[in-house]
Amino acid sequence: AQKVTQAQTEISVVEKEDVTLDCVYETRDTTYYLFWYKQPPSGELVFLIRRNSFDEQNEISGRYSWNFQKSTSSFNFTITASQVVDSAVYFCALSEAFTGGGNKLTFGTGTQLKVEL
Amino acid sequence: EAGVVQSPRYKIIEKKQPVAFWCNPISGHNTLYWYLQNLGQGPELLIRYENEEAVDDSQLPKDRFSAERLKGVDSTLKIQPAELGDSAVYLCASSRGQGADNEQFFGPGTRLTVL
Repeated sequence: AQKVTQAQTEISVVEKEDVTLDCVYETRDTTYYLFWYKQPPSGELVFLIRRNSFDEQNEISGRYSWNFQKSTSSFNFTITASQVVDSAVYFCALSEAFTGGGNKLTFGTGTQLKVEL
Repeated sequence: EAGVVQSPRYKIIEKKQPVAFWCNPISGHNTLYWYLQNLGQGPELLIRYENEEAVDDSQLPKDRFSAERLKGVDSTLKIQPAELGDSAVYLCASSRGQGADNEQFFGPGTRLTVL
């Protein structure tokens, strides 16, 4: 069975601090995909990034960066120079493909990030 | 491009009453998903549709929950009768392609409160 663990329930930082959100996953699949979604107070989950199991290159997008380490089954997310607008719940998710189309996302319990002035 | 639309955004009902949620996916997205999100938890899949066919409903409590996607476009999720434990956010998502790399696009959800 697939499992995603986000051990940090809530993190509070002061604006401009860097913050890392941890994600550890379990799967028996050799091919899989990992996702990060952001859920602001409005409730709509917003896609941030997708990474496949064969690509361990770190990725940077503006103030966001992701560190994928297959050896430790981790896919951590770092926000550099955090801003108040980054305040949200962040979910890590693991994907398995369905026969015939679509995919099933297994989500972690999320990390509530609060960025204060 | 319009996003996934859900209505209502909020619903308050008394236990044992029926309730229905509506979802209109992004145009052209064949796959539609209904998720349940309890407070402080990640979303959990209830049912997945490929066009009008429910291809995975293994997590749907079929004694009280039902869903339909008659024309392969919009979808309705129903609970009858509702119980106190059904209070949660019900999220709808859609995706275009096939495979494990699919990006799912989520609607804002319907927050259900059962009194």
